[in-house]
Amino acid sequence: SAVISQKPSRDICQRGTSLTIQCQVDSQVTMMFWYRQQPGQSLTLIATANQGSEATYESGFVIDKFPISRPNLTFSTLTVSNMSPEDSSIYLCSVLGTSTGELFFGEGSRLTVL
Amino acid sequence: AQSVTQPDIHITVSEGASLELRCNYSYGATPYLFWYVQSPGQGLQLLLKYFSGDTLVQGIKGFEAEFKRSQSSFNLRKPSVHWSDAAEYFCAVGDDAGGTSYGKLTFGQGTILTVHP
Repeated sequence: SAVISQKPSRDICQRGTSLTIQCQVDSQVTMMFWYRQQPGQSLTLIATANQGSEATYESGFVIDKFPISRPNLTFSTLTVSNMSPEDSSIYLCSVLGTSTGELFFGEGSRLTVL
Repeated sequence: AQSVTQPDIHITVSEGASLELRCNYSYGATPYLFWYVQSPGQGLQLLLKYFSGDTLVQGIKGFEAEFKRSQSSFNLRKPSVHWSDAAEYFCAVGDDAGGTSYGKLTFGQGTILTVHP
C-alpha cells in the first residue's frame, strides 16, 4: 500500500484567489491522479500527473484553471486558480499501487470558497 | 462512456443485520469493478475489487461482492453489520485498457450507510 499525505487538509478561501494543494507519497510512483468531490457528489477525475511530462486533463478541466506540477516520483501539486464558490470541493490525490489497478487515496483537501 | 449507478442514496440498518448495497454499471467490455468506503473525514479505502475469475470476491472488514454480468451488477454484501461500518460507500468501474487507465475510475454517486444500535 501507499501512504499519501495532503496539505492543507482544509482551507477557507476568498473568491478570486488561488490555492495550491500538495500531495506527498511515501514511495516512488509513476502515475498520480487528482480527483474532485463536490458537495454531495461523487468523485470526478481532474487529471493524470506523470513525472517529466505535462498533466493530462479530463474533459471539462483545463490547465489554466487547475495547473499541476509533478517534479518527482513522490510529489505533486494541484493549484485551483481564480477560485469561485463552485470550486468548493474535496480534492483528492491518488496513486496506483504495485498491485495492478489498485488506486490509493489521500485523505483529501476540503476547500471552501466564500 | 462508462457509468455507474448506485440506486440507494441512503440506507439504514440495525447493527447485526445483513447488508446489501446495489451497484449497476454500464460498460462495453469486461469491467474492472471496485468498492471503496469513505468514513467521515477520511480518505477512500479500497474494500475489494474484481478483475476476472471467480465472480464472488472477498474483501476486507467481512465484505464481499458478486459480479453478475447478465445484470451488469456488482452488489456489495455483509452478513452482519457493525456500528463501525457507518460510512459512505462508492462503487467504481475502471477501464481495461491498462496503463494509465487503471487510475481513471468512474464512480457512482455513493450510498450513505447509517447503522442503528
